[in-house]
Amino acid sequence: GAVVSQHPSWVICKSGTSVKIECRSLDFQATTMFWYRQFPKQSLMLMATSNEGSKATYEQGVEKDKFLINHASLTLSTLTVTSAHPEDSSFYICSANPPGHYEQYFGPGTRLTVT
Amino acid sequence: QQPVQSPQAVILREGEDAVINCSSSKALYSVHWYRQKHGEAPVFLMILLKGGEQKGHEKISASFNEKKQQSSLYLTASQLSYSGTYFCGTEYTGANSKLTFGKGITLSVRP
Repeated sequence: GAVVSQHPSWVICKSGTSVKIECRSLDFQATTMFWYRQFPKQSLMLMATSNEGSKATYEQGVEKDKFLINHASLTLSTLTVTSAHPEDSSFYICSANPPGHYEQYFGPGTRLTVT
Repeated sequence: QQPVQSPQAVILREGEDAVINCSSSKALYSVHWYRQKHGEAPVFLMILLKGGEQKGHEKISASFNEKKQQSSLYLTASQLSYSGTYFCGTEYTGANSKLTFGKGITLSVRP
């Protein structure tokens, strides 16, 4: 099956600093990747759609300048949380569709804690 | 528009059956089912694309009604490993478009 990885698995940072999270498709190329945020015991909320070679598409209410997305290649998308605050603490998960597949495969997630 | 999942939670004993529902107020392009265990990423279970479709794998199956507004996930002879939170994700506009997830249903299987 398709494999999506994320790095790091968890990160603790101080308020005001920036954190970068990587999402990689290991055995397929992905022109589109999706970034989700999940608070404890809540649903997966789509933050943005990452497009290789073009700008990301952000969902309503998501700050573009705070959550920077770069889809550098067909196998890598990065999410940078800038000037992180405690309310940004959450579980961030990426996903992608292998070519010809309707279903999305999710990465293992990154747990961000901002102190 | 977030799909509505029901019931809110399910507790059952090993070997029992369960049904989880996912409803939308308007017709869907597709329904995706995922299971997530605590602290882990969601795992894909199955996708339904056609009205009236039914499909399954081993003891987990799903249906999509003719109007493509409701899907049900059927867990037969549940196993302890079935415990987790089940999400339905819905597409409204076409293939590989964004998924909108329901709030999820926590299912606990006890020995």
